Amino acid sequence: QKEVEQDPGPLSVPEGAIVSLNCTYSNSAFQYFMWYRQYSRKGPELLMYTYSSGNKEDGRFTAQVDKSSKYISLFIRDSQPSDSATYLCAMGRHNFNKFYFGSGTKLNVKP
Amino acid sequence: SQTIHQWPATLVQPVGSPLSLECTVEGTSNPNLYWYRQAAGRGLQLLFYSVGIGQISSEVPQNLSASRPQDRQFILSSKKLLLSDSGFYLCAWKPQGTNEKLFFGSGTQLSVL
Repeated sequence: QKEVEQDPGPLSVPEGAIVSLNCTYSNSAFQYFMWYRQYSRKGPELLMYTYSSGNKEDGRFTAQVDKSSKYISLFIRDSQPSDSATYLCAMGRHNFNKFYFGSGTKLNVKP
Repeated sequence: SQTIHQWPATLVQPVGSPLSLECTVEGTSNPNLYWYRQAAGRGLQLLFYSVGIGQISSEVPQNLSASRPQDRQFILSSKKLLLSDSGFYLCAWKPQGTNEKLFFGSGTQLSVL
């Protein structure tokens, strides 16, 4: 079993829709949670990070962590064609130098 | 502000040739440095990481090696490239003592022919 599971998609939505991207994990030691956006042939860009359960909002993006269910989500409101990219979740542990990544979900927002 | 530079952006190399990819970080001291490889449509595979000058941890035994000759410089090398070394290589850094932020470079697309 992979430590981090993420549906690869692709996920296709119309412009303006609310997008929900999700990851599940198996290691309860994970304490830090990150979401990245990656455009084709570019490096991943850090969108959101959090280290606690609950919601964190930044503009159109909301990161949600449910540690009891080992489940994290990224919500994108009013999605735009420019949001079309692959979204990666990542997790880390305290005093641990490595990170664990999901395989990425490809999102396509249609105009 | 901190920035990470990675070059070249694209590289085409024949099988058996050497490789050297360089990454530098600006605006921070003593960062943790990482090399990842990303196969097409797949996740990130950690290759090497470093917590300090001359300190290299290898995650995947293979045809590659890494070195950290200076605090903010990380180099990925190979003496003889294989076809299977093709992929998208990413350098990344994180501040020492933190675990919630990892920042990536722009990547190098390596094609071994």
